[in-house]
Amino acid sequence: DGGITQSPKYLFRKEGQNVTLSCEQNLNHDAMYWYRQDPGQGLRLIYYSQIVNDFQKGDIAEGYSVSREKKESFPLTVTSAQKNPTAFYLCASSIFPRNYGYTFGSGTRLTVV
Amino acid sequence: DAKTTQPTSMDCAEGRAANLPCNHSTISGNEYVYWYRQIHSQGPQYIIHGLKNNETNEMASLIITEDRKSSTLILPHATLRDTAVYYCIVLAYSGAGSYQLTFGKGTKLSVIP
Repeated sequence: DGGITQSPKYLFRKEGQNVTLSCEQNLNHDAMYWYRQDPGQGLRLIYYSQIVNDFQKGDIAEGYSVSREKKESFPLTVTSAQKNPTAFYLCASSIFPRNYGYTFGSGTRLTVV
Repeated sequence: DAKTTQPTSMDCAEGRAANLPCNHSTISGNEYVYWYRQIHSQGPQYIIHGLKNNETNEMASLIITEDRKSSTLILPHATLRDTAVYYCIVLAYSGAGSYQLTFGKGTKLSVIP
């Protein structure tokens, strides 16, 4: 079945370490997105990519970096510059440009200690 | 700025219809209304979307007012598994043929036995 896979589901890191979250899709979608969700809050857009080798900053890109070397993959790196990295991270994909409707992964819960 | 307004929480008796309202008074003529839901600690799930006309699928119905300034999501026979946060989203055009979903805090629907 087609879908989006995020791994790992839970991730623990020490403060000051960079960490990379994986997102892979086999839906042949052009666009991919990373969102962050804090407890009791909605989703906030970190980065998005509409085509391979191109990506754009979202509303809260500071302290994060991404790459899009393959259509299927859009990894997110949470750097040590991100002041409050503990959160639930969600990856999504959609057809571009008429990207009606997103398909979401099951999320990665990152805890920095 | 928030583009949609939803009640923070609602309760619904199991087996009854759940009617979730959403105000989107600044919606533009070519912007769609989308509904997603998020069960605790999972990725959001697409429910339904519409532009002007009422829509129905196997999950829900979407009623959009004639002036398009508000809409209602209807779950005809709510079950305990429908307990989730429901997001009403206006699909915003972000240039170059791209649209983005912007999530607010949504409505927490609790289905009560």
